[in-house]
Amino acid sequence: DAKTTQPNSMESNEEEPVHLPCNHSTISGTDYIHWYRQLPSQGPEYVIHGLTSNVNNRMASLAIAEDRKSSTLILHRATLRDAAVYYCILNRQGAQKLVFGQGTRLTINP
Amino acid sequence: NAGVTQTPKFRILKIGQSMTLQCAQDMNHNYMYWYRQDPGMGLKLIYYSVGAGITDKGEVPNGYNVSRSTTEDFPLRLELAAPSQTSVYFCASSYFQGVSGNNEQFFGPGTRLTVL
Repeated sequence: DAKTTQPNSMESNEEEPVHLPCNHSTISGTDYIHWYRQLPSQGPEYVIHGLTSNVNNRMASLAIAEDRKSSTLILHRATLRDAAVYYCILNRQGAQKLVFGQGTRLTINP
Repeated sequence: NAGVTQTPKFRILKIGQSMTLQCAQDMNHNYMYWYRQDPGMGLKLIYYSVGAGITDKGEVPNGYNVSRSTTEDFPLRLELAAPSQTSVYFCASSYFQGVSGNNEQFFGPGTRLTVL
């Protein structure tokens, strides 16, 4: 399975944008890029996913590099509730199993 | 919809005891999963099921058993509890939408298990 590399931790301020990077240099053509997040004392929740094009939804945006070797999860206006561990996961097309790394712990300062 | 529910929320076991962690989902999902999460780590897959009567091992299946007799329920059994099984256990479910689908997993709130 292709691996992802994320910073262990990041810090940002409330109401500012946050850019969470993920490197996946060994990604294959059929790997989707998924992001999940885990709020304190809760199970993970889906945030967004994409294959080649940038994606937007109500929670976040996903920017995928042209060569697909990296991606960035963008929270446009962070709130205190966005403090969580964010996981970048590669998921082979049609595969059901997720492989979680250690993720990035995001701290939001008021 | 209640989504994915897990019981109990917390449990303390003595070494060698056995217990069953319960998981149920009401979304008619065909896939269900069990993960464990050790402190400061990501989740590791223990077992998963693609439908009633079908289960398969994940990354860390040793010391656990599962069964899937209905679409809704996916219990996880610990037969001889060991301190190494102290962890938070998460159950999840998903609906296979085909190779191009999202196949988003929905997680339960977790069971915090301590083995002393």
